[in-house]
Amino acid sequence: EADIYQTPRYLVIGTGKKITLECSQTMGHDKMYWYQQDPGMELHLIHYSYGVNSTEKGDLSSESTVSRIRTEHFPLTLESARPSHTSQYLCASSEYTDEQYFGPGTRLTVT
Amino acid sequence: AQKITQTQPGMFVQEKEAVTLDCTYDTSDQSYGLFWYKQPSSGEMIFLIYQGSYDEQNATEGRYSLNFQKARKSANLVISASQLGDSAMYFCAMRERSGTSYGKLTFGQGTILTVHP
Repeated sequence: EADIYQTPRYLVIGTGKKITLECSQTMGHDKMYWYQQDPGMELHLIHYSYGVNSTEKGDLSSESTVSRIRTEHFPLTLESARPSHTSQYLCASSEYTDEQYFGPGTRLTVT
Repeated sequence: AQKITQTQPGMFVQEKEAVTLDCTYDTSDQSYGLFWYKQPSSGEMIFLIYQGSYDEQNATEGRYSLNFQKARKSANLVISASQLGDSAMYFCAMRERSGTSYGKLTFGQGTILTVHP
């Protein structure tokens, strides 16, 4: 069973607030990913990292930023939340094998 | 251009019957990987099965099997003996292994499977 954690699971926040979505994994994986998913829709990659101090933007443009200071930790930050940021955010990690392990997700609602 | 296409927005199956979920893909790479994930209403993504482009045998994992037809660029998921707990959204995904796409997954639009008792 994969050990990848996301907090909070649910977040309702007002417009203009700064938020950080946490993602941690205990598997020592070098590769980590953030996906955005609107209800009933496909996942879109917004950020990824292939190791400490390595971050790249994904296929879908996002106003969020990420950091990778430690192998196990890959937080995502929104400096000023807007209603258009309402979505589910999924974190994943992988190692040499192809499989990506996903966290439980954070459902964000910006009012 | 869409790299992964799932043409069935929704599928229905009777409990204990088999069901096939369609997936076609597009890539110019020779080396790639194909995945199926299950997403229940709770939102987490559960890995089901993987097929590498060089694997000669179709992948199987318990009740899940992947019908891989390389020439047709299709990777359909077959679920045998459906159970009520199989009701969920199912995503097909591809991982390319070259260039700027290395290691990243591209997902299809998903298929909602409903299993009737």
